[in-house]
Amino acid sequence: QAQLVQSGSEVKKPGASVKVSCKASGYNFIGYYMHWVRQAPGQGLEWMGWINPNSGGTNLTQKFQGKVTLTRDTSITTAYMELSRLQSDDTAVYYCARGLRTPYDSSGYPLDYWGQGTLVTVSS
Amino acid sequence: DIQMTQSPSSLSASVGDRVTITCRASQTISSSLNWYQQKPGKAPKLLIYAASRLRSGVPSRFSGSGSGTDFTLTISSLQPEDFATYYCQQSYSTPPTFGQGTKLEIK
Repeated sequence: QAQLVQSGSEVKKPGASVKVSCKASGYNFIGYYMHWVRQAPGQGLEWMGWINPNSGGTNLTQKFQGKVTLTRDTSITTAYMELSRLQSDDTAVYYCARGLRTPYDSSGYPLDYWGQGTLVTVSS
Repeated sequence: DIQMTQSPSSLSASVGDRVTITCRASQTISSSLNWYQQKPGKAPKLLIYAASRLRSGVPSRFSGSGSGTDFTLTISSLQPEDFATYYCQQSYSTPPTFGQGTKLEIK
């Protein structure tokens, strides 16, 4: 059974950076893309990007380019999302999620296993 | 980006009711449509992918249909644990956008 366990809540000041970790277990870590999705308080889901754990290649939506860095450490099957130049509107729960590929959808965008979420609060 | 619009935004129903939630894409997305369930304080759960494929372990009272631009999620007989928020997501093109959500509440 796949499992994703994220690091704990963070409180940061505006202008700071935060790095969230996502520890994967129960499956072949390098065989599935890892996605990051955020959810502002009381709001919907917003896809941020993915990392290919095998190659380290990434794809970020335009909004997060230059602000988010996705990395991974295959030796400890952990993915990371670093968010820089934090502002109050970055306050949100950040999720990592595994991308699913099937014969019916090879895009990798259906997200079949999710971490529990990490609340990042930006406040002065 | 492809815009996904769900309706209704909220819905009140009773245990045992049949419920349908609609998701419309701003352009054709073939059958690249996924449905998620999210309960308060929890991560979303994948219910259906590729418009109609039930994820393993998801109860058969959940079903999905549609192709092109119009899709539906149907719950055939609501159970108490089904009261949650439901999101559609298109996986046709990057970025994989979500609908705004449909909150299903107990009547």
